[in-house]
Amino acid sequence: GNSVTQMEGPVTLSEEAFLTINCTYTATGYPSLFWYVQYPGEGLQLLLKATKADDKGSNKGFEATYRKETTSFHLEKGSVQVSDSAVYFCALSAYNFNKFYFGSGTKLNVKP
Amino acid sequence: DAGVTQSPTHLIKTRGQHVTLRCSPISGHKSVSWYQQVLGQGPQFIFQYYEKEERGRGNFPDRFSARQFPNYSSELNVNALLLGDSALYLCASSFTLEGLRSYEQYFGPGTRLTVT
Repeated sequence: GNSVTQMEGPVTLSEEAFLTINCTYTATGYPSLFWYVQYPGEGLQLLLKATKADDKGSNKGFEATYRKETTSFHLEKGSVQVSDSAVYFCALSAYNFNKFYFGSGTKLNVKP
Repeated sequence: DAGVTQSPTHLIKTRGQHVTLRCSPISGHKSVSWYQQVLGQGPQFIFQYYEKEERGRGNFPDRFSARQFPNYSSELNVNALLLGDSALYLCASSFTLEGLRSYEQYFGPGTRLTVT
């Protein structure tokens, strides 16, 4: 079956620290992989995506590389800001469907 | 451009009642999906509709139903509400070409349902 596992939070960092949020997946076929961000009281916003192995998605300083050999899609950012405080969800889209499987989310707190 | 819109924003219902949630997709998007997000968890897939037909269904009881209209808007209906149905209900739209994958879903702000 299809599933996503991501590291539990909360993750608390100081401003300008390096961020890694781990995400691994199980999937049949060749899924697309995504990171979504959810700010308090809001819906989910697409942060970045990768549609095939070795693709690197990037946006707003965040990056994630689709690693088929390790079935991973870890989110990284070199220097976090207070405004990055939110909940981050890793997700996959199974082939031929728009059904998304989400991880449980990782809350990021960035302190000034 | 307008994003995905959902109504109402918040809703309080009593156990046993029925509720209807509404979603309007981004203009030009033909696919709508519904998700349930319980507090502290990731969204769980409920339904996907494309061109007014159900294309996918998650592991939810028959109390949950949905439909898509000719203008591609959608309704999610939940009958005989239980306390456990309290959640944020998210609608997502995507532009899906027949036979091709759609790589992105765009989410609305959600409807917060509280069942008392």
